[in-house]
Amino acid sequence: GAVVSQHPSWVICKSGTSVKIECRSLDFQATTMFWYRQFPKQSLMLMATSNEGSKATYEQGVEKDKFLINHASLTLSTLTVTSAHPEDSSFYICSARGTVSSYEQYFGPGTRLTVT
Amino acid sequence: AQTVTQSQPEMSVQEAETVTLSCTYDTSESDYYLFWYKQPPSRQMILVIRQEAYKQQNATENRFSVNFQKAAKSFSLKISDSQLGDAAMYFCAYRYTSGTYKYIFGTGTRLKVLA
Repeated sequence: GAVVSQHPSWVICKSGTSVKIECRSLDFQATTMFWYRQFPKQSLMLMATSNEGSKATYEQGVEKDKFLINHASLTLSTLTVTSAHPEDSSFYICSARGTVSSYEQYFGPGTRLTVT
Repeated sequence: AQTVTQSQPEMSVQEAETVTLSCTYDTSESDYYLFWYKQPPSRQMILVIRQEAYKQQNATENRFSVNFQKAAKSFSLKISDSQLGDAAMYFCAYRYTSGTYKYIFGTGTRLKVLA
């Protein structure tokens, strides 16, 4: 149980375009979903936290107009990178916190974004 | 703000030997959770072990155990009988006990297992 999926696993887009990444909790309802960014050989940096039906809470320094997060249901959150630039190229990981085991986050497999 | 520090960027261990990864953190809270996560080359985060701060007993999971020193704000991971499959990045994480229960991750330790 407690499986989180992400789609796509790898995406290449051109500079200036937008790309959407989906995060789904497959077998549980996620009270909260988190979005992380990970540069090569670095740690996970929390970008934002989203609760179903509410606006996302962004960490300091994260551009909310560039990284749009929508948490439309208890099983789906999306991250849209708008007007992508090469410096947005990174590995994006989502995680979800269930309503039952609230102490733990369950992580998706990540999405590699390459902006050319 | 809470911070998590992993002072060992890289560690090596011989297969079947024991290795300890260090983690220190800073917090003013009295109740919190601490975690060790493993990230293999696939980049999938895998929970290794967790520790509730109110529990004095150190957590263990098979070959993995922690040394939790609350007063010293130290949370080290011991891997016994190391296996080749243990090679990965290991991240220590602190979980807030209020609000959104978000995690703060340390910088990570790359563990190499030598055959």
